[in-house]
Amino acid sequence: EVQLVESGGGPVKPGGSLRLSCAASGFTFSNHNINWVRQAPGKGLEWVSSISSSSTYIFYADSVKGRFTISRDNAKNSLHLQMNSLRAEDTAVYYCARVGDGSGAFDIWGQGTMVTVSS
Amino acid sequence: EIVMTQSPATVSVSPGERATLSCRASQSVSTNLAWYQHKPGQAPRLLIYGASTRATGIPARFSGSGSGTEFTLTISSLQSEDFAVYYCQQHHNWPPYTFGQGTKLEI
Repeated sequence: EVQLVESGGGPVKPGGSLRLSCAASGFTFSNHNINWVRQAPGKGLEWVSSISSSSTYIFYADSVKGRFTISRDNAKNSLHLQMNSLRAEDTAVYYCARVGDGSGAFDIWGQGTMVTVSS
Repeated sequence: EIVMTQSPATVSVSPGERATLSCRASQSVSTNLAWYQHKPGQAPRLLIYGASTRATGIPARFSGSGSGTEFTLTISSLQSEDFAVYYCQQHHNWPPYTFGQGTKLEI
């Protein structure tokens, strides 16, 4: 089965750090660009970061640039998001999402992991 | 940044009826437009990509149309499992990828 499974979420104080992971299975992970997308409570979907299949190209939303770092390990079929200097407004469910072959759209999503930034 | 605007914010329909959801881009995205369905506690689900191509396993009652800046998602003969929030997303000019604010489809 093709799937993405996130982990690593939890409560953290403002200014703290957290590292999210996304485990891929059922497909050739190294062939796909992968993204992080988040949804704050009561809000819509917000793209956070993107990494190309070989890590050559990396992009961030302005809201997280300089604080978050995306990385991947194709040998371990895993994606990571290192989140530093966390703020209350980073509170959200974080999803990893695969870019589909030829479609450009996000065809496979994980179930998400909740990050709560609060004192 | 391309701004995506969806309308209406909420649409109330009955099972068996047709629903039409709209999405507008602040500049042309050609046909690089996707639609997603999102239910609480679940992963978002890709419905349509390329503005009008159904993703794998998506029922034929879901259809997409449009190009440039105006797009429509139509759900014919609504089923109970279709009540959810629907998002459009442009993947034409990124970063950033941008989503609409969502349309909630309710009974």
